[in-house]
Amino acid sequence: RKEVEQDPGPFNVPEGATVAFNCTYSNSASQSFFWYRQDCRKEPKLLMSVYSSGNEDGRFTAQLNRASQYISLLIRDSKLSDSATYLCVVNGGTSYDKVIFGPGTSLSVIP
Amino acid sequence: EPEVTQTPSHQVTQMGQEVILRCVPISNHLYFYWYRQILGQKVEFLVSFYNNEISEKSEIFDDQFSVERPDGSNFTLKIRSTKLEDSAMYFCASSVSAEGYTFGSGTRLTVV
Repeated sequence: RKEVEQDPGPFNVPEGATVAFNCTYSNSASQSFFWYRQDCRKEPKLLMSVYSSGNEDGRFTAQLNRASQYISLLIRDSKLSDSATYLCVVNGGTSYDKVIFGPGTSLSVIP
Repeated sequence: EPEVTQTPSHQVTQMGQEVILRCVPISNHLYFYWYRQILGQKVEFLVSFYNNEISEKSEIFDDQFSVERPDGSNFTLKIRSTKLEDSAMYFCASSVSAEGYTFGSGTRLTVV
């Protein structure tokens, strides 16, 4: 099983749609979880950390299920500017210093 | 907003040559990282650096690679005897704790 897996995508959705991304991780000892976005040929940028209780930032909601080793990101009322690749990132386990990126899920928001 | 700065933005080198990629992390950050991303592939962890030493490295980070913090501000990645397959985007990142990393805009390395 790969360390971090994500929906293969791509996701093509109309403006205003709600879209959900899923991510699973293999190391049950992992401690920290993040969603990053990456625009084409740009650096990854932190979108939000993911906490056990779930957290929301405007139109974005992240959830963590430790028992299932599953992370999700929900984007409501999607905008054209949300078009990017969304990266699930996990660190910790035996080392907090090693960070594993998922392969990413591409999102295109269509007018 | 504080930034991680990487230079050069694009480096072209001949196979077999050595390259040094440079990074200036955010000044109060304590953890430093190098990642690479081959075109069309996922971001891969190379190495983390804390307290002036390597704290973790991946299987990619073999003897061909080395990192250094030569002074209080720079963090460098040296790649010796470059190969064609070393062509990639190399990202530097830093963080205050081992969470919430800020990435530089990357150096695109092209080995010809």
